[in-house]
Amino acid sequence: GESVGLHLPTLSVQEGDNSIINCAYSNSASDYFIWYKQESGKGPQFIIDIRSNMDKRQGQRVTVLLNKTVKHLSLQIAATQPGDSAVYFCAETPYGNKLVFGAGTILRVKS
Amino acid sequence: GAGVSQSPSNKVTEKGKDVELRCDPISGHTALYWYRQSLGQGLEFLIYFQGNSAPDKSGLPSDRFSAERTGGSVSTLTIQRTQQEDSAVYLCASSPRQGARAFFGQGTRLTVV
Repeated sequence: GESVGLHLPTLSVQEGDNSIINCAYSNSASDYFIWYKQESGKGPQFIIDIRSNMDKRQGQRVTVLLNKTVKHLSLQIAATQPGDSAVYFCAETPYGNKLVFGAGTILRVKS
Repeated sequence: GAGVSQSPSNKVTEKGKDVELRCDPISGHTALYWYRQSLGQGLEFLIYFQGNSAPDKSGLPSDRFSAERTGGSVSTLTIQRTQQEDSAVYLCASSPRQGARAFFGQGTRLTVV
């Protein structure tokens, strides 16, 4: 199945620094992208999304960048806090199709 | 309820027994997903329901796994003759339409002993 059997990569950052989490997506027909955050023992929660007609979108302390040329998505978290420690997943959806999730990245924030 | 509800939250079963996991999606959501997540790993897609279309079963790992969605609402994931490798968290998500943001439940933690 998709995203199976992989040990997730880990990004360790110092509290207060900016974090950048990267994701390579697979389908050039995907037109909608989402970042999710999953804390221990919980289901994934929506953070921010972006459509393919945009290359940047900002939320509160988070920014998503989309580079369709190289099929790359990134999530930037400003002034990372201990509460940001979690697993982060990107997801893509080709038009009219189901969501497909990436493998995930563990973010650890050091105090 | 306002969110996706899954039951039970925890299930311990003996190897070889059948189990049923339930998902109550957000009212009005036409799309419903099941995923499996082993400890420290990513989301493994299992099955996708969208409206009255035939479900996408391409992620089901074996014929011991099946799912149904009655009346376009509640879904049940059934695992027959459970094995120890079936131990994982099973997550359900629903979405208001095809290709839109999905909302997740808290998951069912299944332990096969």
